[in-house]
Amino acid sequence: AQSVTQPDIHITVSEGASLELRCNYSYGATPYLFWYVQSPGQGLQLLLKYFSGDTLVQGIKGFEAEFKRSQSSFNLRKPSVHWSDAAEYFCAVVNSGAGSYQLTFGKGTKLSVIP
Amino acid sequence: DAGVIQSPRHEVTEMGQEVTLRCKPISGHNSLFWYRQTMMRGLELLIYFNNNVPIDDSGMPEDRFSAKMPNASFSTLKIQPSEPRDSAVYFCASSSGLNTEAFFGQGTRLTVV
Repeated sequence: AQSVTQPDIHITVSEGASLELRCNYSYGATPYLFWYVQSPGQGLQLLLKYFSGDTLVQGIKGFEAEFKRSQSSFNLRKPSVHWSDAAEYFCAVVNSGAGSYQLTFGKGTKLSVIP
Repeated sequence: DAGVIQSPRHEVTEMGQEVTLRCKPISGHNSLFWYRQTMMRGLELLIYFNNNVPIDDSGMPEDRFSAKMPNASFSTLKIQPSEPRDSAVYFCASSSGLNTEAFFGQGTRLTVV
């Protein structure tokens, strides 16, 4: 069965510092990959997605992610974090080849930003 | 479009009572998903529909849980009878296809006392 691992439960960075959130997936075929962000009391908002093509994808709010098949990773990055980026971030993978829906979420990484 | 609309936003009920959560997907989306989020278990897919038809309900925890989608613009998730361990945030999401990105509602925070 496919799985998504976000190794870091909680990360704290200073405002203006760079950020990288890790995501590893376990899946045999070509995955569709997503990063979502959840602010407190809110639903999940899509940051970016990877289906095919260029392995470096740009998203909203200045985020980007790089798909590395050899490492089964889809890490999320931002060069300079803003205080408003404090939230919980979820990586997700979809089985692109299955006849049924199999979107699997990681456990999430909570980001705290120090002013 | 207003996005996925869920109601109510908050629900507090007593153990044993019936609870009905409602969802209006984004117009034109043909896939709808119900998720439950807890601290312990994270995000769990309960059930999903494609073209109003339930495809996979293997995530529904017990027979106390049921979901319906009578038309393309409305779905319900019902818990009867409710128990304290059902307390969680329940999200509805919709997408234009089974393997495209899902758009989430704001969620319903359910507390069963």
